[in-house]
Formats: sequence, C-alpha cells, structure tokens
Amino acid sequence: SNVLTQPPSVSVAPGQTARITCGGNNIGSKSVYWYQQKPGQAPVLVVYDDSDRPSGIPERFSGSTSGNTATLTISRVEAGDEADYFCQVWDSSGDHPGVFGGGTNLTVL
Amino acid sequence: QVQLVESGGGVVQPGGSLRLSCAASGFTFRSYGMHWVRQAPGKGLEWVAFIRFDGSNRYYADSVKGRFTISRDNSKNTLYLQMSSLTAEDTAVYYCAKDPYSRTLSHFDYWGQGTLVTVSS
Repeated sequence: SNVLTQPPSVSVAPGQTARITCGGNNIGSKSVYWYQQKPGQAPVLVVYDDSDRPSGIPERFSGSTSGNTATLTISRVEAGDEADYFCQVWDSSGDHPGVFGGGTNLTVL
Repeated sequence: QVQLVESGGGVVQPGGSLRLSCAASGFTFRSYGMHWVRQAPGKGLEWVAFIRFDGSNRYYADSVKGRFTISRDNSKNTLYLQMSSLTAEDTAVYYCAKDPYSRTLSHFDYWGQGTLVTVSS
C-alpha cells in the first residue's frame, strides 16, 4: 500500500515562498490532493488533481509533481496561511484506498 | 452552499456502539459518493469509509472493517456511520466529507465540522 511522507514542519517568513513536499512511491502516476487545516477547523481542499485550485482558493497556492514527490507551493506567504497541510492520494491497489500524508505544520515567522 | 452537519458523537465505553449522522444540504446528495474521515486528538487524518451515490458499493479502511458500517438515506439527505466494538483507538473527531464523483473514491471537496467520539470507561 502507498505511504505518503511529509516533513513535520516548515517555517517561512511573511512574503516568502513555502514549499511543502509529499513523497510516495510512484506518486507521479496518481492524482494528488492537498488540504489546509487551521486549528479547531475542518480541512479545506486547496489543490486537486495535482495542480488545480478550487474556486475561492488564492492563486498563491499551486501544486506540482515530479517523480516520487508532489509539492504544494505557497507564494507570498501570509500570516493567515499558518496551518497544517495534508497531501492525499487514491490508491486503488491497496486495502486502504484513501491515503493521507502525516501532515506538515506551516509556521509563518 | 454545501453544508454537512455531523451529529451523534459522545462518550462511549470500550466495546460499545454509536451511530453518527451527517445531514447534507446545498447539493444533490443522491448524486455523489460520500466519505467518513477521522482525526485522533493531535494526530493526522485517516480515511474511514466510502459509499457510492446509490449505496451499491462501500469501502472501508482495514482498521474499521467488520466493526463499522457506512450507509445513506437519499430520501433524507443523510449519511450514517454505525460503529461497534469500539476501542480507545477509535477516539477521534469524525468528519463526513463529499466526493466530487458518484462512483469512484477520489477526494474530499467539502467537509463537515466534525463530531467528537470519545471511547473511555
């Protein structure tokens, strides 16, 4: 079954670019989804199908994949972007099809 | 706008049972697959179960297979999760979430606010 690996934490200064990675075997062959979760709130979808943004999500959020790594990039980081970010794939080959990464806490310095 | 409102959480003893509900509005409920996803306190997200738009197929995580049952009533726009043989490891906030597709498990485009289940004696 697929295992998705994320760094536990990423820190960035306001106005800079944050990159959050999600590593997984053959992840480039799957659609990757990213969720933002602020403290005490439900997750929110911020990127779907690797690089598309739902309506209402700022253009500062973008996604990409290359080889065994997917990346969520947040440009011009704001204090309000501070949250946990989770990647997710659908792995039809396993018994646990809905696979999440362990999550990355983004701190805005 | 899409709204998902969970209810039914609470404190239950180990070995006990509980049924969660999720009332949906703002979209054509009967046309979409639905999920339950949980999050233990201070931990990450764990997918629990999925049901197709018409209830014809259901999928479960290994950790709950044989103990949890996902179901839906499209006439009431409501999703359910029947949980039994509960253990402390099932303590979590349980979210219902909508899939943008009807048949295939893909992702979660809308989430409810969650309901807390605590398994404790």
